[in-house]
Amino acid sequence: DGGITQSPKYLFRKEGQNVTLSCEQNLNHDAMYWYRQDPGQGLRLIYYSQIVNDFQKGDIAEGYSVSREKKESFPLTVTSAQKNPTAFYLCASSVGETTHEQFFGPGTRLTVL
Amino acid sequence: GQSLEQPSEVTAVEGAIVQINCTYQTSGFYGLSWYQQHDGGAPTFLSYNALDGLEETGRFSSFLSRSDSYGYLLLQELQMKDSASYFCAVRGPSGGSYIPTFGRGTSLIVHP
Repeated sequence: DGGITQSPKYLFRKEGQNVTLSCEQNLNHDAMYWYRQDPGQGLRLIYYSQIVNDFQKGDIAEGYSVSREKKESFPLTVTSAQKNPTAFYLCASSVGETTHEQFFGPGTRLTVL
Repeated sequence: GQSLEQPSEVTAVEGAIVQINCTYQTSGFYGLSWYQQHDGGAPTFLSYNALDGLEETGRFSSFLSRSDSYGYLLLQELQMKDSASYFCAVRGPSGGSYIPTFGRGTSLIVHP
């Protein structure tokens, strides 16, 4: 089955630690995205990538980093510089950057203690 | 940049019809999309409008008026399982790319 996987579903970390969230897709999509969702809020774009070895900052990139070494993978690192990292993180992909339909993974709920 | 406005909450009874409105501001318009998200779940794509008018998909329809920068999602024959958050989204130009922007979402509560 084609789709997007994110792991783990729940993640706990101590304040000051970096943590990497996994995102893998087997849809052969070129574009991938990371969003942050806080309670009662919409999805805010952190980073996006249109093609392998290329990515751009979204609206709230500070304190986050990404890599896109393979088409299928787009991991997100939440660094200690992110002031309020506790949130629900969603990864998505689309056929291309102008394609309207995005496919989302199940999300990772990160709690920083 | 882009911004979208939609109501924070809408309530309705089972079997009724409900409309969720969305107004947007964007420097370049490449279509309005709608997504559904159940509590704790992933958003799923519902519909897309690039041109003015109504698009129908089963019980769900979506409307767009580009001149008014306005769209809505219409849900008919409401069912309990339709209780969820609904987000409108647009793609707009940013630094040579076309990045998506989502509204804050409308929580739909369906009562028996």
